[in-house]
Amino acid sequence: DIQMTQSPSSLSASVGDRVTITCRASQSISNYLNWYQQKPGKAPKLLIYFASTLYSGVPSRFSGSGSGTEFTLTINKLQPDDFATYYCQQSYSVPPDTFGQGTKLEIK
Amino acid sequence: EVQLVESGGGLVQPGESLRLSCAASGFTFSDYWMHWVRQAPGKGLVWVSRINPDGSIIDYADSVKGRFTISRDNADKTLYLQMNSLRSEDTAVYYCITLVGVRAFNIWGQGTMVTVSS
Repeated sequence: DIQMTQSPSSLSASVGDRVTITCRASQSISNYLNWYQQKPGKAPKLLIYFASTLYSGVPSRFSGSGSGTEFTLTINKLQPDDFATYYCQQSYSVPPDTFGQGTKLEIK
Repeated sequence: EVQLVESGGGLVQPGESLRLSCAASGFTFSDYWMHWVRQAPGKGLVWVSRINPDGSIIDYADSVKGRFTISRDNADKTLYLQMNSLRSEDTAVYYCITLVGVRAFNIWGQGTMVTVSS
């Protein structure tokens, strides 16, 4: 199974900051990397698929990059609504679809 | 509106069984793969099982293989997860998910909580 590792596990930032979350795969997954946002008590929401394609309705301050084994999610000009937990997920070699352990983004 | 609504969660004792349901609407259910993903309290997302559109291809995570059974009724637009021999480590919110138009989980239900405890 492909292992997904996110860093950091948590980070604190302020409204207006730019933040970057990294996701590493245990082997190459081409561009088959997806990013999700989850708020407490809610189901995750798809933000980015195929490493860099913004899902419908997702604000343009979110962006993704990377290929192979290393990927990043960047959020520009953080908004209060962006404080949540973010997960990466590989869809290259399934099953199983594997997720990173999550990155909790908190308000500084 | 595309929607998935799970039901059937609850509190059970170790060793008991539970059947989860997921009612789909707003899309052609019989055209899409369906998945279950779970999330233990305070933990991350873990894929559980998947089934193809006609039910002929089924896969499970190793942790549930032999205990859980996924199935679907395309006429009723409903996905099921039969969970037997439940263990405390199965305690989680269970999400029903599908992929519509993209190779990613873009349609999620609201989740149903399963608690296994004596």
